[in-house]
Amino acid sequence: EAQVTQNPRYLITVTGKKLTVTCSQNMNHEYMSWYRQDPGLGLRQIYYSMNVEVTDKGDVPEGYKVSRKEKRNFPLILESPSPNQTSLYFCASSARGVFTDTQYFGPGTRLTVL
Amino acid sequence: SQKIEQNSEALNIQEGKTATLTCNYTNYSPAYLQWYRQDPGRGPVFLLLIRENEKEKRKERLKVTFDTTLKQSLFHITASQPADSATYLCALDYGTARQLTFGSGTQLTVLP
Repeated sequence: EAQVTQNPRYLITVTGKKLTVTCSQNMNHEYMSWYRQDPGLGLRQIYYSMNVEVTDKGDVPEGYKVSRKEKRNFPLILESPSPNQTSLYFCASSARGVFTDTQYFGPGTRLTVL
Repeated sequence: SQKIEQNSEALNIQEGKTATLTCNYTNYSPAYLQWYRQDPGRGPVFLLLIRENEKEKRKERLKVTFDTTLKQSLFHITASQPADSATYLCALDYGTARQLTFGSGTQLTVLP
């Protein structure tokens, strides 16, 4: 089954404690992206990757890092989480970038930073 | 910066009626416009994509229009059903192969 998986699905942590949210896709997609979703603000892009070792900032990259060492994986790293990073996070992938028929989203990771 | 507005945060309609959702944007028109459905606690699911040179696109009970003069896209669900209840997101795609810009969504409730 074609899918994007994220782990963990739920995470409660404390300010300053480094964490990683994993994202993996099994569709051999070149393009992957991370979004955060906050009430009233919609989905905002954090980082994206056009292919292995190629990453770039989205609209809200501050406080986040990513890496793309393998095509299937695109982890999101919060080196020193703060309460304003409490949000619902989604990973997405697509075959050729955004102008394609389908962008697949993962199930989401709900992060709470105390 | 680009601003996207989707009509009213919530829309309630009666089963069997046509639901019409609006997506308005400012500034320059995107190369593509996409619509997604999102259920509570789930990731968005792609529904339809329309290109700037297309006026209308259909898929089963769904229809999307794109008017670059009005800077507006309309999303229609005909013969709506309670199972259509969800949040619908529009997303602007400028064809840069970089990112989508999403609206905040419209929560549709179809009443039985």
